[in-house]
Amino acid sequence: GDSVTQMEGPVTLSEEAFLTINCTYTATGYPSLFWYVQYPGEGLQLLLKATKADDKGSNKGFEATYRKETTSFHLEKGSVQVSDSAVYFCALKLTGNQFYFGTGTSLTVIP
Amino acid sequence: GAVVSQHPSRVICKSGTSVKIECRSLDFQATTMFWYRQFPKQSLMLMATSNEGSKATYEQGVEKDKFLINHASLTLSTLTVTSAHPEDSSFYICSAGDPTVSNQPQHFGDGTRLSIL
Repeated sequence: GDSVTQMEGPVTLSEEAFLTINCTYTATGYPSLFWYVQYPGEGLQLLLKATKADDKGSNKGFEATYRKETTSFHLEKGSVQVSDSAVYFCALKLTGNQFYFGTGTSLTVIP
Repeated sequence: GAVVSQHPSRVICKSGTSVKIECRSLDFQATTMFWYRQFPKQSLMLMATSNEGSKATYEQGVEKDKFLINHASLTLSTLTVTSAHPEDSSFYICSAGDPTVSNQPQHFGDGTRLSIL
């Protein structure tokens, strides 16, 4: 079935370090791919998205490229900040509006 | 600003109480809304799909008599946790998307943290 496998956390980085959170997916069709971020005590916020192969989503210094050949959508940021501390969810959406989420990766950035 | 509003944000109540959570789309009409549940340190799990004017579609393992969903208008869906018990304590989140916009990602509410004593 359709699913998302996400790198397990928690991840702890020093400020200005490089971040990679791996995400791979399994889908029967051609999904759209998303990264959502959840700050403590809040709901999910869309961070970035890509709707077709080779698309790159980017926002707030974060990037992810839709790789069909490796069925991946890894999240990267060149220099993390303390304010980036949150839980990050990779997700896919096929037709309709139903999402499949990964288990989330908790990121803590220390000064 | 928020396009999906969820209320209340936090509920603490006694075991046996029924709790109603509202999810409203503010800038668009949503024929379909989704209800998710999130246990601590786990991912969102889809509970049910709320369909305006018809019965909700529940995911396997979700008790429809326990989690009552009503989608009476194009901008409001409600989830009622009936006779709540401590094991129902969780973070509940709704989502909706504007059906008139292609590839429109879902907008999520800020969630409701339910604590049953």
